[in-house]
Amino acid sequence: QKEVEQNSGPLSVPEGAIASLNCTYSDRVSQSFFWYRQYSGKSPELIMSIYSNGDKEDGRFTAQLNKASQYVSLLIRDSQPSDSATYLCAVNYSARQLTFGSGTQLTVLP
Amino acid sequence: EADIYQTPRYLVIGTGKKITLECSQTMGHDKMYWYQQDPGMELHLIHYSYGVNSTEKGDLSSESTVSRIRTEHFPLTLESARPSHTSQYLCASSEYNPDTQYFGPGTRLTVL
Repeated sequence: QKEVEQNSGPLSVPEGAIASLNCTYSDRVSQSFFWYRQYSGKSPELIMSIYSNGDKEDGRFTAQLNKASQYVSLLIRDSQPSDSATYLCAVNYSARQLTFGSGTQLTVLP
Repeated sequence: EADIYQTPRYLVIGTGKKITLECSQTMGHDKMYWYQQDPGMELHLIHYSYGVNSTEKGDLSSESTVSRIRTEHFPLTLESARPSHTSQYLCASSEYNPDTQYFGPGTRLTVL
């Protein structure tokens, strides 16, 4: 069973802090990794994708991938209350579909 | 900006009724997907399609069926709705394999 594990949270951080979200996966052959944000009652929206080891930055978001340790993380700098959402990690275990984690609920406190 | 649409957005229906949830995308994507998600729970893939006349079942067993007669359209049908079908149904599409899936707004189904 291919798995994607995330801490369900909730994770609370004060406004302006760095939020760190982590995800581990079970299959070393995975090549593509994604972070989606899902507001309550809404559908997921893609915020980051990463394919190579190292860091990828996009605005306040940084994705980090370590294939040897099989984890991918998302850092949100200068967290804002509008960042409060559930963050889903997704991994492609096959060419056919993505496997999603159960998500980490983030709350940014004003 | 993703152009993927789902109708209806909300549906409340009685047990035993046949329902069809509509999903359309205007991006010309070959790959389309249906997910089921209960509140606060994981996304579960129930159906996917690689193109016209191609459909396969996902990881989560579902009593629903799908069809893909046109590239842009991927409807999901429940022949006889039951309360256990109450959930949110999310449609998605992608251009390359499973990468970068774009989600529709979802249909929240309640079966009484």
